[in-house]
Amino acid sequence: GAVVSQHPSRVICKSGTSVKIECRSLDFQATTMFWYRQFPKQSLMLMATSNEGSKATYEQGVEKDKFLINHASLTLSTLTVTSAHPEDSSFYICSAGGVGFQYQETQYFGPGTRLLVL
Amino acid sequence: AQTVTQSQPEMSVQEAETVTLSCTYDTSESNYYLFWYKQPPSRQMILVIRQEAYKQQNATENRFSVNFQKAAKSFSLKISDSQLGDTAMYFCAFGSGAGSYQLTFGKGTKLSVIP
Repeated sequence: GAVVSQHPSRVICKSGTSVKIECRSLDFQATTMFWYRQFPKQSLMLMATSNEGSKATYEQGVEKDKFLINHASLTLSTLTVTSAHPEDSSFYICSAGGVGFQYQETQYFGPGTRLLVL
Repeated sequence: AQTVTQSQPEMSVQEAETVTLSCTYDTSESNYYLFWYKQPPSRQMILVIRQEAYKQQNATENRFSVNFQKAAKSFSLKISDSQLGDTAMYFCAFGSGAGSYQLTFGKGTKLSVIP
């Protein structure tokens, strides 16, 4: 139980293009999803928290117009990196927690997406 | 704001031996949760063990157990009978309902299991 998928696993794009990353909870309803960014050999940095049906809450310093988050259903959240630039290259990870699931307060993580912007 | 400190950037252990990873935290909240996550080279974050702060009994999951000292704000992870597959980054994390269950992570401890 508590499986979270993420797609794509890796993506290479040209500078100036937009990239969409999907995060799905496969066997539970995720009322809250989180998006993280991880630099090499570093810990996870929370970018935003999204609740189903409402606007995401972004952490300080994260550009909401650049990193668009949509949580349209209880099983799907998307992160769109708009007008990507090389400095956006990173490892992006989503996680999900769910009301009604055994452990509401526990986050379960997707496998991550490696983004490379050329 | 909560802080989580992992003071051991790297550790190593011989296969089949026992190792303890340290974690301390700081919070003014009384109701919270603590977690250990494992990140192997695949970079998939895997939940190892969780602890509710209101429970005095230390959590255990097979070879993994914690030593939760609430007054000292300490939450160490003990891995018994270490296996090669335990080689990974280990992150200690703090979460609470006051923060919509957002997690605050430590910087991690890189554990290497030596055959």
